[in-house]
Amino acid sequence: GNSVTQMEGPVTLSEEAFLTINCTYTATGYPSLFWYVQYPGEGLQLLLKATKADDKGSNKGFEATYRKETTSFHLEKGSVQVSDSAVYFCALSDPTSGNTPLVFGKGTRLSVIA
Amino acid sequence: EADIYQTPRYLVIGTGKKITLECSQTMGHDKMYWYQQDPGMELHLIHYSYGVNSTEKGDLSSESTVSRIRTEHFPLTLESARPSHTSQYLCASSDGIGLGNQETQYFGPGTRLLVL
Repeated sequence: GNSVTQMEGPVTLSEEAFLTINCTYTATGYPSLFWYVQYPGEGLQLLLKATKADDKGSNKGFEATYRKETTSFHLEKGSVQVSDSAVYFCALSDPTSGNTPLVFGKGTRLSVIA
Repeated sequence: EADIYQTPRYLVIGTGKKITLECSQTMGHDKMYWYQQDPGMELHLIHYSYGVNSTEKGDLSSESTVSRIRTEHFPLTLESARPSHTSQYLCASSDGIGLGNQETQYFGPGTRLLVL
């Protein structure tokens, strides 16, 4: 079946540090890939997405590239801020699995300290 | 900005009580979902609906039930609350736009439930 594996947290970084959160996936077809972010006390919101191989999603300084050869969709940001402290979820949607909901990873908590 | 609302935001209730968590969206989305989020942050899909009068159970076995009588409304009911139901419950809807399941899910702010 379809699954998403992301690096376990928590991840603690100093402000302006480089961020990478790893995400790999298993899917039977050609999925769309997503990163969602959950700020404290809120629901999840879409951060970025990519719908086919070699696509790069980007938003708010975050980027992730859909790598079919390594089945990965790692999230990166060049310089994190305290306001980026949140939980980040990688997710996939596989159209060949019928009309099934998104598959989420377990989440990675990021804490950025000043 | 997504227009999806959940009430109450926080609820403390005694064991054995019946409770209904409300979820409404004003975007006209056909698809709606309920997730249970444990303290370790992992999301567990407990119910979903692809339209009026459609409901499906998710991956996590749940003692809750849902109904979808109106497009905009997807309430979740616990007939008899227990301490094991203590968790955060997130409602979401999706726009069904795009090919190959590219649609975005929009989440409400969540209901934090504590059963004593």
